[in-house]
Amino acid sequence: SQQGEEDPQALSIQEGENATMNCSYKTSINNLQWYRQNSGRGLVHLILIRSNEREKHSGRLRVTLDTSKKSSSLLITASRAADTASYFCALHQAGTALIFGKGTTLSVSS
Amino acid sequence: GAGVSQSPRYKVAKRGQDVALRCDPISGHVSLFWYQQALGQGPEFLTYFQNEAQLDKSGLPSDRFFAERPEGSVSTLKIQRTQQEDSAVYLCASSLDGQGAGGYTFGSGTRLTVV
Repeated sequence: SQQGEEDPQALSIQEGENATMNCSYKTSINNLQWYRQNSGRGLVHLILIRSNEREKHSGRLRVTLDTSKKSSSLLITASRAADTASYFCALHQAGTALIFGKGTTLSVSS
Repeated sequence: GAGVSQSPRYKVAKRGQDVALRCDPISGHVSLFWYQQALGQGPEFLTYFQNEAQLDKSGLPSDRFFAERPEGSVSTLKIQRTQQEDSAVYLCASSLDGQGAGGYTFGSGTRLTVV
């Protein structure tokens, strides 16, 4: 399959804790992107990491990419109830549209 | 507009009915993408346009699905003779550059229920 596979499928944490979700893939990529989807809404672009980058930060988000292991991780620090959502990794390859994984459902309780 | 607009927000169709779903992308965005999302799943690619050209329609599940973007702006996804398995959320996204290497902006989707 060309899509990424997120792990875990579901994650429940307390407010203030960190949340880590992983994405593994099998093909070569130009970049890897992470999106968030709140229930019943469209997806929101969070962060993009290029194949020649290893780590990127954006606010409370930290993304890593290991192209030798074909894996990426998204870390959300100091989580809030508002972070409750589904998170998807998406692979960008030359000449194609983004391919999305099945997502990780994050639940943050106060 | 400020974002990607999709209409209708919800659509209930009787099996066998034809439906048309509209997407109004961000003004000036070159690329437009359609995805289908079943409950609890990730978005599945259907088709994409660069301006008015449909560059990839490999994800359309059958010849009952048809998409167009005649003037390189608004796009319509048409489903003929709807079936129950077509029930899903249909998401539209646009991107400033070709193929969307810089990230997509999604609309809120159209939830289609076929009864």
